[in-house]
Amino acid sequence: AQKITQTQPGMFVQEKEAVTLDCTYDTSDPSYGLFWYKQPSSGEMIFLIYQGSYDQQNATEGRYSLNFQKARKSANLVISASQLGDSAMYFCAMREGLSNTGKLIFGQGTTLQVKP
Amino acid sequence: EAGVAQSPRYKIIEKRQSVAFWCNPISGHATLYWYQQILGQGPKLLIQFQNNGVVDDSQLPKDRFSAERLKGVDSTLKIQPAKLEDSAVYLCASSLIPVTGGANVLTFGAGSRLTVL
Repeated sequence: AQKITQTQPGMFVQEKEAVTLDCTYDTSDPSYGLFWYKQPSSGEMIFLIYQGSYDQQNATEGRYSLNFQKARKSANLVISASQLGDSAMYFCAMREGLSNTGKLIFGQGTTLQVKP
Repeated sequence: EAGVAQSPRYKIIEKRQSVAFWCNPISGHATLYWYQQILGQGPKLLIQFQNNGVVDDSQLPKDRFSAERLKGVDSTLKIQPAKLEDSAVYLCASSLIPVTGGANVLTFGAGSRLTVL
């Protein structure tokens, strides 16, 4: 079974608007961490935001916020005020376990294109 | 601080040939990872080192792939012999020693793109 599911292969958004990228996950471990990475055409994976399973509040980092709905097992990324430089592939990832030594499991990714 | 360095950036070989990729992690990062990213898919972990010991190599095709991290710093990933399905980007990442309750964020290099003909 897929551990991380990103159902949107591609998304378009108008510059300066907000966009939500979906991510659902599957785990029976009560301790886990959720990550979002951005991969521009240059290929490097860039860390955006992290949410721990015990964190009470949704994570925010500048224009990025994570809409964490634990009961639904979803961790959607919200990008506010989109910029042309946000055009890239976005990956949701999960690590299971409290020790933080486990591997990151990635979803299939969502391609975001920002229109001027 | 300097990022994760990888080389070569691009490599084209014929099937059954061998290839090696090199990675130098961020200074002080004890944990090093090799991921394989096939076009259109998310990265998949091949092997994880902590210092010079292997933590996880459960998804490494050991009949053809090998990796080492001598002296606990830089690392080499080798494929011999290569198959068509090995065409992918090989991403190296590093992180500090994991702390319980922390995020243990991975920092990735730009990747090495392999094309097997």
